[in-house]
Amino acid sequence: ILNVEQSPQSLHVQEGDSTNFTCSFPSSNFYALHWYRWETAKSPEALFVMTLNGDEKKKGRISATLNTKEGYSYLYIKGSQPEDSATYLCALILTDYKLSFGAGTTVTVRA
Amino acid sequence: EAQVTQNPRYLITVTGKKLTVTCSQNMNHEYMSWYRQDPGLGLRQIYYSMNVEVTDKGDVPEGYKVSRKEKRNFPLILESPSPNQTSLYFCASSGDEQFFGPGTRLTVL
Repeated sequence: ILNVEQSPQSLHVQEGDSTNFTCSFPSSNFYALHWYRWETAKSPEALFVMTLNGDEKKKGRISATLNTKEGYSYLYIKGSQPEDSATYLCALILTDYKLSFGAGTTVTVRA
Repeated sequence: EAQVTQNPRYLITVTGKKLTVTCSQNMNHEYMSWYRQDPGLGLRQIYYSMNVEVTDKGDVPEGYKVSRKEKRNFPLILESPSPNQTSLYFCASSGDEQFFGPGTRLTVL
């Protein structure tokens, strides 16, 4: 089992503010890192698939970076809106094709 | 519409009564997977399948079985459910991205 850690566990953001949070992992021995967005009472939805050191991906106001050498990925939300409230999960696709998920960061955007 | 379907969505059963949760995808994906989600523990992989007739254990396979006789279907079987298998279960299939089913909430009394 690869220990994928996400921090913080939860955060509260004022509408319009930007925020970021971290997914960290002990090894670069994986095929890809995924970010998911998970809204209450729904299923997780894929945000980004990242494979290379230095990868940067963007979708609207949300972006992510990957640093495999230092073992972390950041997810950024610019100008947070109430609809950004969700739990954000990261997962590693390991070399045996297992998936290992972090416990998630729950973001609450206050209007 | 690309989708992963699971049935049933909700199930209450008793200890020891065999049950099957079905999962089907229409995206011709080779990779399929089952997860359970428990409070404070996040998603944990139960089993995964790289292709037809190929299945492998995830992190929490004890008490579960799977089969992959067809590419589109990946049922999860609990031969003798126990209360510690009460959980929210997700099936998923992957191409470049992973798509999750709607979830099955299982209660074992």
